[in-house]
Amino acid sequence: QSVLTQPPSASGTPGQRVTISCSGSSSNIGSNYVYWYQHFPGTAPKLLIHRNNQRPSGVPDRFSGSKSGTSASLAISGLRSEDEADYYCAAWDDSLSGWVFGGGTKLTVL
Amino acid sequence: EVQLVESGGGLVQPGGSLRLSCAASGFTFTTYAMSWVRQAPGKGLEWVSTISGSGGNTYYADSVKGRFTISRDSSKNTLYLQMNSLRAENTAVYYCAKHSSGAPSPPDYWGQGTLVTVSS
Repeated sequence: QSVLTQPPSASGTPGQRVTISCSGSSSNIGSNYVYWYQHFPGTAPKLLIHRNNQRPSGVPDRFSGSKSGTSASLAISGLRSEDEADYYCAAWDDSLSGWVFGGGTKLTVL
Repeated sequence: EVQLVESGGGLVQPGGSLRLSCAASGFTFTTYAMSWVRQAPGKGLEWVSTISGSGGNTYYADSVKGRFTISRDSSKNTLYLQMNSLRAENTAVYYCAKHSSGAPSPPDYWGQGTLVTVSS
């Protein structure tokens, strides 16, 4: 079982807005930044959102992140077929002195 | 351009050992923490271990503590993961990742991964 909890799947049609949730605890999300990764199977994961809601250079503004208390979410607006991938949340955990990841959410574009 | 190239994966019997390598280029190697993260078949990403830029601090997931050792060689710009007493549940693609700064900073660049299969 992953320390951070994500829904295993999400879906939407092109142009729609979808959100993916990530739930943690006071030792990880509650006291540290949340990061989101996009992963296409067989390739290198890509940092999508850093410091809760910041986009690295080159990431479209269709992707946005937010955090409240011990939960966070990733929103994707104007959904495109190329967004179909696995999405992971991550945070540093002060109690474990290590990184924790969510179980991943498989996004399907219908 | 940051490049991370993993090698050393393969088939190993339960109880055996394997050493993974990650050749890094395109950045000042000693400035950044580095990590190994794995993905078992059909599963999500799982953090394995992190080492500070100087190599003086190391961190391990409980599941590998005492069996895996992370290290780095600044003269070769290479990250290593020595894996001993391997178990079937250690079968996974192992990714090397560079952090944006020290250990609590996020991994911002990842390699393509190397597959480790533990089976008799």
